[in-house]
Amino acid sequence: RKEVEQDPGPFNVPEGATVAFNCTYSNSASQSFFWYRQDCRKEPKLLMSVYSSGNEDGRFTAQLNRASQYISLLIRDSKLSDSATYLCVVNPSDTGNQFYFGTGTSLTVIP
Amino acid sequence: NAGVTQTPKFRVLKTGQSMTLLCAQDMNHEYMYWYRQDPGMGLRLIHYSVGEGTTAKGEVPDGYNVSRLKKQNFLLGLESAAPSQTSVYFCASSYLASGGPNYYNEQFFGPGTRLTVL
Repeated sequence: RKEVEQDPGPFNVPEGATVAFNCTYSNSASQSFFWYRQDCRKEPKLLMSVYSSGNEDGRFTAQLNRASQYISLLIRDSKLSDSATYLCVVNPSDTGNQFYFGTGTSLTVIP
Repeated sequence: NAGVTQTPKFRVLKTGQSMTLLCAQDMNHEYMYWYRQDPGMGLRLIHYSVGEGTTAKGEVPDGYNVSRLKKQNFLLGLESAAPSQTSVYFCASSYLASGGPNYYNEQFFGPGTRLTVL
C-alpha cells in the first residue's frame, strides 16, 4: 500500500467553481501534513501546511481527519492561475525527517 | 538570496557513464534531500541528510550515492547510469523546527535536473 494516495484527476472546472481534493495516508503516526503546488515542468512549492484544527488561507481551506487518515484541500472561486498539480505530502514522525508525496492531482480551470 | 540551486539543469548520459548532480542552498538549512520524479510515481526520496557529514537512505537509494561535506552542498552521484535512472531530479532543503518533533517543516526545492540515460 502506498504511503500517500491521491486521485490523479484530471479535474477540469470552470472559473469561479469550488473544487475539493482528498488524500489518504497509511501511517497513523504521521504528524505533519502539507499541500504543495507544482506547475508544469517546475519545482513543487508549498501551498499550505495542514493543522489539526483545519486552516484557511484566502480561497484555500485545508482539513485533517486523523481518525480516517485523510486530508483535504478546498479551493473556492477558482482562478485560471490555480491550474496546476496539487501534491499531498505527509511526514510520519517514526521515519525521521522523511516526507512522502502523493502522485498529485491535476487541476485545470477553464475560462 | 538564491535559495536552492541545482547544477546542471539538463544532462544526457550513455548507459554506464557516471555523473554528479550538485545542490546548493544559502538558507543555512540543516536538512537536505534528493528526490526523483517520474510520471505516475510522484516524488520519491533517494537519500537525505540531517546535517553536515551525515547521510541516510530514502525510499529508492539503489544506484545512487551522496555526500554532504559542507552544510550548504549536497551531491548526488550516479556511478554507472542506467536507463531506469532517466528522471527529473529535485533537491530540497528544510530547517530544523525548534522545540521537539519536526512539525510543519516547509521544504524548499531547487528547479530540478532533467536527466536522460540512453
